[in-house]
Amino acid sequence: GAGVSQTPSNKVTEKGKYVELRCDPISGHTALYWYRQSLGQGPEFLIYFQGTGAADDSGLPNDRFFAVRPEGSVSTLKIQRTERGDSAVYLCASSSTGLRPLGLVADTQYFGPGTRLTVL
Amino acid sequence: QQQVKQSPQSLIVQKGGIPIINCAYENTAFDYFPWYQQFPGKGPALLIAIRPDVSEKKEGRFTISFNKSAKQFSLHIMDSQPGDSATYFCAASYIISGATNKLIFGTGTLLAVQP
Repeated sequence: GAGVSQTPSNKVTEKGKYVELRCDPISGHTALYWYRQSLGQGPEFLIYFQGTGAADDSGLPNDRFFAVRPEGSVSTLKIQRTERGDSAVYLCASSSTGLRPLGLVADTQYFGPGTRLTVL
Repeated sequence: QQQVKQSPQSLIVQKGGIPIINCAYENTAFDYFPWYQQFPGKGPALLIAIRPDVSEKKEGRFTISFNKSAKQFSLHIMDSQPGDSATYFCAASYIISGATNKLIFGTGTLLAVQP
């Protein structure tokens, strides 16, 4: 596809369960980002991948959250022992390189439609 | 301080009006300021972006004004149309070791353009 895709579009789970959210970035994009958007708020950074490696995971709220990108393309965000406070829209974005030499403009991040996670 | 403050929370204008959305930041290390537009059920999409060495940037009906000394920037939408009704987010980022374009977003402004 031409854009970033995310599956599922909606996920309802019960407190304490494990969930996986998938992101397919734009083909050829080496940088991939996960954000979380709570109702009425702006997206909040979670983690950034450069290729297969997590270059910055400073936004992950706790050790229940984990993300992988084993082949440098598709990424999966994993949430263990879900809590009601985890309910939000999880957004994935990709960009061409993610690299930004000093003085140059950052390359555009293209967002997917998000996965709406509801924890009952 | 990572926060980007955005106002107003919501805005209603008539068709043809010029809505203005304002953002302020504290971290002087920020050096890239994009604006995103988000429709319900969709992800944010980049509208326009500016660097702090420029005071104004215009793309079509969208203009960013940037005041580096005040650490403020704003989005103006000229000749607004009902199709512009959406949520608008300002954001900021800075370099970490030449990489990581992680974006710090404002809280959003819900714009309604009445016909």
